[in-house]
Amino acid sequence: GQNIDQPTEMTATEGAIVQINCTYQTSGFNGLFWYQQHAGEAPTFLSYNVLDGLEEKGRFSSFLSRSKGYSYLLLKELQMKDSASYLCAVSGALAGGSYIPTFGRGTSLIVHP
Amino acid sequence: DAGVTQSPTHLIKTRGQHVTLRCSPISGHKSVSWYQQVLGQGPQFIFQYYEKEERGRGNFPDRFSARQFPNYSSELNVNALLLGDSALYLCASSLRQENTEAFFGQGTRLTVV
Repeated sequence: GQNIDQPTEMTATEGAIVQINCTYQTSGFNGLFWYQQHAGEAPTFLSYNVLDGLEEKGRFSSFLSRSKGYSYLLLKELQMKDSASYLCAVSGALAGGSYIPTFGRGTSLIVHP
Repeated sequence: DAGVTQSPTHLIKTRGQHVTLRCSPISGHKSVSWYQQVLGQGPQFIFQYYEKEERGRGNFPDRFSARQFPNYSSELNVNALLLGDSALYLCASSLRQENTEAFFGQGTRLTVV
């Protein structure tokens, strides 16, 4: 099975940097995803890490350590529109050859002026 | 290009009824996955279909079933609805079975009364 743990809620100031951590336990690891979900909307894809290290994409970066079962999402130059839920999802093997992302509960990020 | 489309957007049903939710993936995508998201939690995997075959099933009762059509669109069926089935039902499509980048539809908000 898979187990994912991330903080329930975080707050930060506009213009600042915030790091959202995710720890996981899984079998047949095939990658880790981060999604952003605004209230009442569908999740949107942010990043995918399958190898150790840092992946940078604009203001967003994601880090993975497979040996530690640990990832973080780093958001720089925070904007008010970044207020959303951030979902960590781990892809593990299922019977039949599928790799299905299992989602954590999400971290609700509140950005204030 | 159209993204993932789901219908209907909102639905109210009474206990014991049956419901059918529909999803059209992004053109060219052959994998469709269904998720249930209860308020305050991350999406929970229900089914994955790839090339019209079921490739993965989550921990949901047999009241839940799905299928994928030759044009890769998909239906999720839920029988004998319970109050606890009230949730946002999300469909995600991806190019390959491995789900390395899944795109979500806006979801169907199902309320069971």
